[in-house]
Amino acid sequence: GENVEQHPSTLSVQEGDSAVIKCTYSDSASNYFPWYKQELGKGPQLIIDIRSNVGEKKDQRIAVTLNKTAKHFSLHITETQPEDSAVYFCAASMVGGFKTIFGAGTRLFVKA
Amino acid sequence: DARVTQTPRHKVTEMGQEVTMRCQPILGHNTVFWYRQTMMQGLELLAYFRNRAPLDDSGMPKDRFSAEMPDATLATLKIQPSEPRDSAVYFCASGPEAGNEQFFGPGTRLTVL
Repeated sequence: GENVEQHPSTLSVQEGDSAVIKCTYSDSASNYFPWYKQELGKGPQLIIDIRSNVGEKKDQRIAVTLNKTAKHFSLHITETQPEDSAVYFCAASMVGGFKTIFGAGTRLFVKA
Repeated sequence: DARVTQTPRHKVTEMGQEVTMRCQPILGHNTVFWYRQTMMQGLELLAYFRNRAPLDDSGMPKDRFSAEMPDATLATLKIQPSEPRDSAVYFCASGPEAGNEQFFGPGTRLTVL
């Protein structure tokens, strides 16, 4: 069945460094790839998304890249800050479909 | 600032009791999702509604779980009877259209003793 694998499960970086989280998906029909940030005690919140017709999207310090051929997509956070510490989830679905498959999550620690 | 609301935020109950969780989706959203989050299983989709019609509840244990949308402003998830393995955080999310971004509520943390 459909699957999204996410790595690493835990990531610790120094404030100011970059953080990269990688995901692979199995369903080649997937064409919508959102990233969610979940802070302690809260629900996941969408931070950026990308559709299959583009290879890269950037929003201030965060960017997402997509390689449809390899079925890989990645989240890049530059100039990390302590408030970036959270659990990040990648996901894959189809525009017009409904079933969103989530990765297992990456717990990011940014050390001040 | 439109947001998804969920009640209760916390629920502690004893095994065998009925539990009802409620969700108010964002006004105008026509898709509603129920997820369960545990440390072991991550985020699992339990049920999905589009225009109040249930489209997929294959992720939900049918013998004890039920999900409904009595109207466009209310979605419910019911567990009867509850079991300790149901302990988890249950999230409701709504979206403006299928397959696009989902807006999550704060969750209901359920503990079944």
